[in-house]
Amino acid sequence: EVQVLESGGGLVQPGGSQRLSCAAAGFTFSSHAMSWVRQAPGKGLEWVSSISGNGGRTYYADSVKGRFTISRDNSKNTLYLQMNSLRADDTAVYYCAKDSYGGNPSKFDSWGQGTLVTVSS
Amino acid sequence: DIQMTQSPSSLSASVGDRVTITCQASQDISNYLNWYQQKPGKAPKLLIYDASNLETGVPSRFSGSGSGTDFTFTISSLQPEDIATYYCQQYDNLPPDFGQGTKLEIK
Repeated sequence: EVQVLESGGGLVQPGGSQRLSCAAAGFTFSSHAMSWVRQAPGKGLEWVSSISGNGGRTYYADSVKGRFTISRDNSKNTLYLQMNSLRADDTAVYYCAKDSYGGNPSKFDSWGQGTLVTVSS
Repeated sequence: DIQMTQSPSSLSASVGDRVTITCQASQDISNYLNWYQQKPGKAPKLLIYDASNLETGVPSRFSGSGSGTDFTFTISSLQPEDIATYYCQQYDNLPPDFGQGTKLEIK
């Protein structure tokens, strides 16, 4: 059974940093692209970032480019999102999502339960 | 960026009704269109991929159609457990953006 489980959320001050992790199991991790999708309170889904299966290609939304870094450790079946220079409008539930394929982001076929990041002083 | 416009933004229907949601892309995306269901407090779930393909395990009352710029998502007979917000998502171009969502309620 495919499982993805996020961790690392919490309360962080504006301008601060936070690192999210996503532990994966039940599939060949290195064969699948992975993504982060967020949802601000009461709002819709916003794609944040994706990384190819081998980690060679990364993609970012304009809203986070230059502040967030996606990475993966295929030996540990773990996805990461390093978030720097956090702003109030980064407050959201962050979901880790498995892609059906290994390259560009396409269809997100399995999702974690999400981890809440709150940016506030 | 490709803009995805869903309509309606909210919908109230009765159990057993046929429900239709539309999604329009700002440019041709072929069939690179997925549909997700998000129940309150839960993670999204993939229902339909590549415009018309039913994800494994998803009930057959859900269906999708369309290509190019205009797409339709249909629930043939609404069930109480279908109460959720539904999102379309394109992946023809980066960013793989979502529509704004359609909140479905029981009348």
